[in-house]
Amino acid sequence: GAVVSQHPSWVICKSGTSVKIECRSLDFQATTMFWYRQFPKQSLMLMATSNEGSKATYEQGVEKDKFLINHASLTLSTLTVTSAHPEDSSFYICSARASGTDISSYNSPLHFGNGTRLTVT
Amino acid sequence: GDSVTQMEGPVTLSEEAFLTINCTYTATGYPSLFWYVQYPGEGLQLLLKATKADDKGSNKGFEATYRKETTSFHLEKGSVQVSDSAVYFCALSRTGFQKLVFGTGTRLLVSP
Repeated sequence: GAVVSQHPSWVICKSGTSVKIECRSLDFQATTMFWYRQFPKQSLMLMATSNEGSKATYEQGVEKDKFLINHASLTLSTLTVTSAHPEDSSFYICSARASGTDISSYNSPLHFGNGTRLTVT
Repeated sequence: GDSVTQMEGPVTLSEEAFLTINCTYTATGYPSLFWYVQYPGEGLQLLLKATKADDKGSNKGFEATYRKETTSFHLEKGSVQVSDSAVYFCALSRTGFQKLVFGTGTRLLVSP
């Protein structure tokens, strides 16, 4: 089946540094990828929609300058948390949809990565 | 805005016990409803879905019925196995799998 690889699985960084998280579709091409975030005991929340070759679309309340998304190829999207602070500590998950599938169809499910646990000290 | 509320876990059961994980939603109109499962070390996988009221989604012995009158989509399984231990997420969407709105997730622990 379709596999999405997310790297790293966990990362600890110091406050003020930047962290890059990669999301790769291993055996399919993904025009669209999604980035989610989950704080402890809260819902998994959509942060942004990443489109290959164009700017990402951010959800309300998500700072685009802080969470840089690059979708430079059909198999890779990256999320960079810039100048990370302890309040950015969270679980980040990406998902991908295979290219050529109808975005409004329920027969083209999303494929999720395993997630990245970010801890900012 | 749209939201999903799930029962807080963990839910701890013995093997072969009956499982219910409650899920209620708030949304205008008629969203589609989903259950996703995340096994240890793996990504979320779609478990089942229901796209209209009174639909029943089912897969791997799990079932959930879209109840519009109670705005609920409770997950049930008649006899759980140790291998069902995972985190279960209830979610809704208005447009296919675009913009899924998730609940907090419920961890299920099944002991032999």
